[in-house]
Formats: sequence, C-alpha cells, structure tokens
Amino acid sequence: DSGVTQTPKHLITATGQRVTLRCSPRSGDLSVYWYQQSLDQGLQFLIQYYNGEERAKGNILERFSAQQFPDLHSELNLSSLELGDSALYFCASSVAGTSNNEQFFGPGTRLTVL
Amino acid sequence: ILNVEQSPQSLHVQEGDSTNFTCSFPSSNFYALHWYRWETAKSPEALFVMTLNGDEKKKGRISATLNTKEGYSYLYIKGSQPEDSATYLCAFKARSNYQLIWGAGTKLIIKP
Repeated sequence: DSGVTQTPKHLITATGQRVTLRCSPRSGDLSVYWYQQSLDQGLQFLIQYYNGEERAKGNILERFSAQQFPDLHSELNLSSLELGDSALYFCASSVAGTSNNEQFFGPGTRLTVL
Repeated sequence: ILNVEQSPQSLHVQEGDSTNFTCSFPSSNFYALHWYRWETAKSPEALFVMTLNGDEKKKGRISATLNTKEGYSYLYIKGSQPEDSATYLCAFKARSNYQLIWGAGTKLIIKP
C-alpha cells in the first residue's frame, strides 16, 4: 500500500459524459501527478500539481482539466468523453516537486467509456 | 524533443539466471533518472532514483548503474525469480523540465 488513494476504482460511463476522478496523496506529499495508461500503451504523463499550483503539463487534452485543493487532494475532470478515453488513470504523489524524489502511485481508476 | 529508450522491449529469462536491460536518455541537461517496477494488475513501484554519474544502487538482488556522460543506465537482476516478472520502467528528468519523461518499459518474464 503506497498511501495514495484513488476513487472510484472503476467507472463506466457513456460517450459525451463528464466524470471526476479523485486522488489523495500520501501524508506530507505536496506534489500530485496524473497519468493515463491506455490499452497496450505505456504511461502517459498528463499533469503535475505542486502545493496547489500547476507545475508541469504533459499530453493532456483540452477536454481534461485538473486541480489540487488546499488539503492537497486532487481531482481530474474528463469531459465530452470519447471511446478512446477508456484507460487506467493513475495518480502519484511525491514529497516535493523537483522530480528527484520517487513517486508513489495509487491503485488507479479504470474508466470505461461505452 | 526529449526521448527515453528502453531495450529490449521484452525479455524471457530462465529462473535462476541473471539478466540486465538498458535505459538510454539524453546525456545533456541531466538531472535525475528513475527506475520503477510495474507488476501486472498493480501500480508502478519505485526502485531507484539516481542523480550522480557513476551512481550504483542496490536493493536485494536488483541493482542499477548510471552513466550520465553517455546517457545510459543499466538495471541488473541477479538470480531471477518468478516474482521478478514485471515491466521495468525508467524515467528521465532534465534540468530544464519539471516533468519526468518515461520510457516504454522492458517486460521481463521469468520462466520456471
């Protein structure tokens, strides 16, 4: 158990809908990262927050947005969902935002878009 | 564009044999190199974070070396066991970027 929690574990929804994925980092960690793993693909970095501020942006679609709240939990919002958005979404956290600290991954949220 | 290459893509190893695989990354602007193990149906777990040229880190039967001047890191597994079966990911951090650049991974399968 990494100490990072993600909810929900599974999510099934329809095209065109909007969903919110939630992540609580390890106690004391200030950075949160979001990743997407599609079928047969590697980890794709989406976005990083550090202490409430956006720190780095990766291959995140405009239909997706995220935020980190004052209590440091983070939410990833996915809207106008398409079939291709079906994937496993991981959240990870680290102590600081400088990426020489290891990242601790949550169990993931599996999103299925029908 | 920063690129991280891992080779081989997959590897079958007999139980008890030792093995190694490679992560290649840009040699300029180096800041850190991460290794993670990702077992099927689980989440990636950190193995090592390496920052200094010539670094060698060890965790049980797994060790890693780092050459920042030529831009590569090796991961070694001594006496492979079935529980070592996983995808091993490396990720590179450049000095000028905040984010990690991830390789596609080496999938290791240990044959009993």
